Amino acid sequence: GENVEQHPSTLSVQEGDSAVIKCTYSDSASNYFPWYKQELGKRPQLIIDIRSNVGEKKDQRIAVTLNKTAKHFSLHITETQPEDSAVYFCALQGAQKLVFGQGTRLTINP
Amino acid sequence: SQTIHQWPATLVQPVGSPLSLECTVEGTSNPNLYWYRQAAGRGLQLLFYSVGIGQISSEVPQNLSASRPQDRQFILSSKKLLLSDSGFYLCAWSLSSVEQFFGPGTRLTVL
Repeated sequence: GENVEQHPSTLSVQEGDSAVIKCTYSDSASNYFPWYKQELGKRPQLIIDIRSNVGEKKDQRIAVTLNKTAKHFSLHITETQPEDSAVYFCALQGAQKLVFGQGTRLTINP
Repeated sequence: SQTIHQWPATLVQPVGSPLSLECTVEGTSNPNLYWYRQAAGRGLQLLFYSVGIGQISSEVPQNLSASRPQDRQFILSSKKLLLSDSGFYLCAWSLSSVEQFFGPGTRLTVL
């Protein structure tokens, strides 16, 4: 079945620096790759997604890159701010469901 | 626009007691519905999903069950709660399994 590995599990960066989270997968049939942000005590929220017909998508300080040949996709956050502190989950489209990574706890240090 | 509701928001139950959590979606028809559990500080564990009324797929064999009595209603149940059932229960919906949207969640504590 589908499987996705997410790294790192925790990440701490200085405010203003960039953060990168990477996910690798095994099922080449996946065509949809979303990223979710979950603040403490709240529900996961979709922040950006990418489909397999594009290699990169950007939305202000957030970008996602996809390499289907190497089977990995990454979330890039530039100019990090304190409100970026949260747990981030990558996911990919499986059969009638999403398959989620294990999550990355991102901490932005002032 | 679409809205997803879950209740209750918090619940404290003794070990061995029954459980019923409800999720409803407004503003869409024939959604895919999902139940997830998230233990403290952990990831999202998919418990059940449904692609239509009466159709339930189970991802993990546990003392939990799910039902979908109406198109936009999804219920998670247990006859006897275990300590390990404590966690944050999230319902989600999607159309064709992409762009999945989560409800506000129910925080369950089993004592």
